[in-house]
Amino acid sequence: DGGITQSPKYLFRKEGQNVTLSCEQNLNHDAMYWYRQDPGQGLRLIYYSQIVNDFQKGDIAEGYSVSREKKESFPLTVTSAQKNPTAFYLCASWSLGNQPQHFGDGTRLSIL
Amino acid sequence: KQEVTQIPAALSVPEGENLVLNCSFTDSAIYNLQWFRQDPGKGLTSLLLIQSSQREQTSGRLNASLDKSSGRSTLYIAASQPGDSATYLCAVMDGGSQGNLIFGKGTKLSVKP
Repeated sequence: DGGITQSPKYLFRKEGQNVTLSCEQNLNHDAMYWYRQDPGQGLRLIYYSQIVNDFQKGDIAEGYSVSREKKESFPLTVTSAQKNPTAFYLCASWSLGNQPQHFGDGTRLSIL
Repeated sequence: KQEVTQIPAALSVPEGENLVLNCSFTDSAIYNLQWFRQDPGKGLTSLLLIQSSQREQTSGRLNASLDKSSGRSTLYIAASQPGDSATYLCAVMDGGSQGNLIFGKGTKLSVKP
């Protein structure tokens, strides 16, 4: 079955540590996205990529970094510069045109 | 800047009721509008997508309408069931479109048996 796999499901970050969230898709979609969800809030866009080796900042990119070396993979690194990283992180992909975005099951990040 | 608002924030209804969830947006230059369902601790499941040129879409007991000129969309759920309990999110894709979705905060629905 085609879909998006996010790992790990739960992640804990220590002070000063960088952590990387994995997102893999086998839908052959060109575009991929990272969103952050806080309790009672809508999703907010962190970074997106429409093509391999290219990506753009979203609304809340500070303290995060990404790479897009392969079409199927779009990892997100939460750096120590992100002072409030506790949130639910969702990865999505899109085939362009009037098609819905597909979402993974998310990674919940907490601070130790 | 596009803003999306969903009303009500929470809704509790008895099983079998028909119900309407509301979504409004400030900029009518959208590519499409999507309704998603989110279960606790889970990702988003796409329910309906309405293209900017369309007025409505239907899937089973769900019907979504779009009035782009007034910046409004509604999601109608017929004959609600306890399994419909979830948070429903409305999102607009910018007219660009680079595929960026702007989300409302959602409506948390509880259907009581």
